[in-house]
Amino acid sequence: DSGVTQTPKHLITATGQRVTLRCSPRSGDLSVYWYQQSLDQGLQFLIQYYNGEERAKGNILERFSAQQFPDLHSELNLSSLELGDSALYFCASSVGRLNPGEKLFFGSGTQLSVL
Amino acid sequence: AQTVTQSQPEMSVQEAETVTLSCTYDTSESNYYLFWYKQPPSRQMILVIRQEAYKQQNATENRFSVNFQKAAKSFSLKISDSQLGDTAMYFCAFVYNTDKLIFGTGTRLQVFP
Repeated sequence: DSGVTQTPKHLITATGQRVTLRCSPRSGDLSVYWYQQSLDQGLQFLIQYYNGEERAKGNILERFSAQQFPDLHSELNLSSLELGDSALYFCASSVGRLNPGEKLFFGSGTQLSVL
Repeated sequence: AQTVTQSQPEMSVQEAETVTLSCTYDTSESNYYLFWYKQPPSRQMILVIRQEAYKQQNATENRFSVNFQKAAKSFSLKISDSQLGDTAMYFCAFVYNTDKLIFGTGTRLQVFP
């Protein structure tokens, strides 16, 4: 158990809908990262928050947004869902920044299926 | 742009044997970190081993060791005494000062009894 909690584990929805994925980092970790894993794109970095502030942005679509709350949990909001958004969404956390090479701990992921 | 390449989509090894997974990366940075992550069928991403680029000594974690060749930008993972539980996808990953962990496309390892 990595200590990173993601809910729900599975999510099935329809095109055009909006969903929210939730992540609770390990106790004491200030950074939260979101990754998308799909068959054709592999593991793609979406966005990072550090202590409530956005720190780094990757290949995140404009239809997607995220935030980190004062209690350090984070939510990833996906709207106007398309079939291609079906993927495994990982949340990860670390104590601080990844540089200088801190370990990143992953949750078990949320499998999103858009029908 | 920083890239990570894993040229072996699939590999197999017999139990108790040794297998080496390859990884190359491209960067102009001099100070960075490299990782190997394991993703078993449960889909959980598990950190296997970490290497700091400024350290010449290769990292080792029990049966897992790396061969880090900085000049060649190569970072291979050696698994000794392979076990059935080592069956998984293995991802090589790289980070420098951007906080983004960049992953390779993965190598699927099957360990046979």
